[in-house]
Amino acid sequence: NAGVTQTPKFQVLKTGQSMTLQCAQDMNHNSMYWYRQDPGMGLRLIYYSASEGTTDKGEVPNGYNVSRLNKREFSLRLESAAPSQTSVYFCASSEESRGNQPQHFGDGTRLSIL
Amino acid sequence: AQTVTQSQPEMSVQEAETVTLSCTYDTSESDYYLFWYKQPPSRQMILVIRQEAYKQQNATENRFSVNFQKAAKSFSLKISDSQLGDAAMYFCALGTNFGNEKLTFGTGTRLTIIP
Repeated sequence: NAGVTQTPKFQVLKTGQSMTLQCAQDMNHNSMYWYRQDPGMGLRLIYYSASEGTTDKGEVPNGYNVSRLNKREFSLRLESAAPSQTSVYFCASSEESRGNQPQHFGDGTRLSIL
Repeated sequence: AQTVTQSQPEMSVQEAETVTLSCTYDTSESDYYLFWYKQPPSRQMILVIRQEAYKQQNATENRFSVNFQKAAKSFSLKISDSQLGDAAMYFCALGTNFGNEKLTFGTGTRLTIIP
């Protein structure tokens, strides 16, 4: 009963390096999301994918790209990492991208940019 | 734009006592939903309870209940018979069916349980 699986759990990068965070869900959900969590700021939406083949920007998309590889997988890429992107990143999924749908979260990836 | 405000960064409660976490929100939508999520030290976000705005009856889940005051745009979480396992960050969240902010989160309240 894996739910939402994120890899890696921890990563340290140098400024300017690139990195892809992986996310997979096994609940046959249509919608997937990427959030970042910073101290004192709650979770902020980076990108989401309402269904396979579609992606849309969230509140803080700058510096990130995403790929909805298939229904199960949704990756987040940092092309040129910056210290401001040091954060904990969460992937989530829901049956549909409607406001009444509870989202199921992965365990998060703690990313540090030096 | 919609906002969610949690004005209590930290709360503490004695084990077996009752505690209430506050949340206020703002949205121009009439169709929306409110959630409380729990984030224990393990970091995983766990759904605690959900409330549909069109329902007047307050949601309950075992020891967890909400006080939903729609006119005041208030959505507080009450935890009864607090247990050590309730220690966590609690986030209030608002969901609507419009815009690109599918879930808007508050900044969280850290709950400590005192044995």
